[in-house]
Amino acid sequence: GESVGLHLPTLSVQEGDNSIINCAYSNSASDYFIWYKQESGKGPQFIIDIRSNMDKRQGQRVTVLLNKTVKHLSLQIAATQPGDSAVYFCAENSGGTSYGKLTFGQGTILTVHP
Amino acid sequence: GAGVSQSPRYKVAKRGQDVALRCDPISGHVSLFWYQQALGQGPEFLTYFQNEAQLDKSGLPSDRFFAERPEGSVSTLKIQRTQQEDSAVYLCASSKGQSGAYEQYFGPGTRLTVT
Repeated sequence: GESVGLHLPTLSVQEGDNSIINCAYSNSASDYFIWYKQESGKGPQFIIDIRSNMDKRQGQRVTVLLNKTVKHLSLQIAATQPGDSAVYFCAENSGGTSYGKLTFGQGTILTVHP
Repeated sequence: GAGVSQSPRYKVAKRGQDVALRCDPISGHVSLFWYQQALGQGPEFLTYFQNEAQLDKSGLPSDRFFAERPEGSVSTLKIQRTQQEDSAVYLCASSKGQSGAYEQYFGPGTRLTVT
């Protein structure tokens, strides 16, 4: 298989634990943020998004928090499962465009142990 | 329904060869994006189409890279005279609308290896 994560931060958790993945973004003008999950050999998959006029948004088992003051985004996954193991990227719409040009963060490898 | 598909999934090219990578977006999606993902990195924007119009090509790394979407559906990314630094996964994404409010759906990518 591919070795994606040689230079990425890693997070290891036990099944059933809660996971928190952090991301610092660069552009204070960004108004839209998305978390993506990428499994080996696949393209990024949308998890949850948040607009800059919000500081928290919840989905199914996931919560995104946005702190615009320090330009920080976090993804919380409740009751983490082995199927959540993947690389997680935050992305921001920072291009100053209307059409959603995304800038991706570095990524974090999440490993969930049964 | 069918998602975004890309072909080939894997491509090995000798340095100096030309390659063409194909993207079939979700039917009816107006917007189409190409990204390049180097090993261990996040995807980086290459270019954007709204229907058949290429509105942004600011991310294309050199004039060896060329993209088209002549009928506003299928898109092709062409790389001429490939170099080793072109080795990466090339991702295509499409979205329903013209604005950034719409979710981008990604294909599985084409892994290009230049030897």
